[in-house]
Amino acid sequence: SQQGEEDPQALSIQEGENATMNCSYKTSINNLQWYRQNSGRGLVHLILIRSNEREKHSGRLRVTLDTSKKSSSLLITASRAADTASYFCATDASFGNEKLTFGTGTRLTIIP
Amino acid sequence: GAVVSQHPSRVICKSGTSVKIECRSLDFQATTMFWYRQFPKQSLMLMATSNEGSKATYEQGVEKDKFLINHASLTLSTLTVTSAHPEDSSFYICSARVLSSYNSPLHFGNGTRLTVT
Repeated sequence: SQQGEEDPQALSIQEGENATMNCSYKTSINNLQWYRQNSGRGLVHLILIRSNEREKHSGRLRVTLDTSKKSSSLLITASRAADTASYFCATDASFGNEKLTFGTGTRLTIIP
Repeated sequence: GAVVSQHPSRVICKSGTSVKIECRSLDFQATTMFWYRQFPKQSLMLMATSNEGSKATYEQGVEKDKFLINHASLTLSTLTVTSAHPEDSSFYICSARVLSSYNSPLHFGNGTRLTVT
């Protein structure tokens, strides 16, 4: 069953602006991960945040996690045309079977 | 970095035939690989967990006789779609972890676009 839902489903912004995507999930987790998928390709891991962390940075990426609300956000600052892709959150349930369940994804379009 | 190679990237086959998709971890060993299916503009659906040297674990609703998985070595897992039908047309993606830990990210192949005519 689908664990996470992402919001918005699609987002278009001008190059240079910041993009924010949100993810909600339903069960307790060990960690939450964000992945990027270019059209017709596999997924690329962006960042992992553990359940005991609240915020994490990696380059132009900033991820927050609120376990009380079962939600996470991904912020991409100073967006570039190359950031155009679909972004998925994925959760690893706390019963630790190594399976990742992916959210519905946000299709991000950066307008040059 | 860890590389997962998936082959073929695209395949067209006739209804009733079988198609084999290979997933290789090129620079690491993977005791566990995961097979996902993705429909256009949708999320990834986990089909099965491939375990080296043992039977695959299938998700609910996935026919194990339809989607045969073999994980004969620490670097190779295969997915065979048997007696393919048009409704099997989809994007299939494999993935693996470098470390067998839930805090280790997944590394994905580039996927296989299967079209059944």
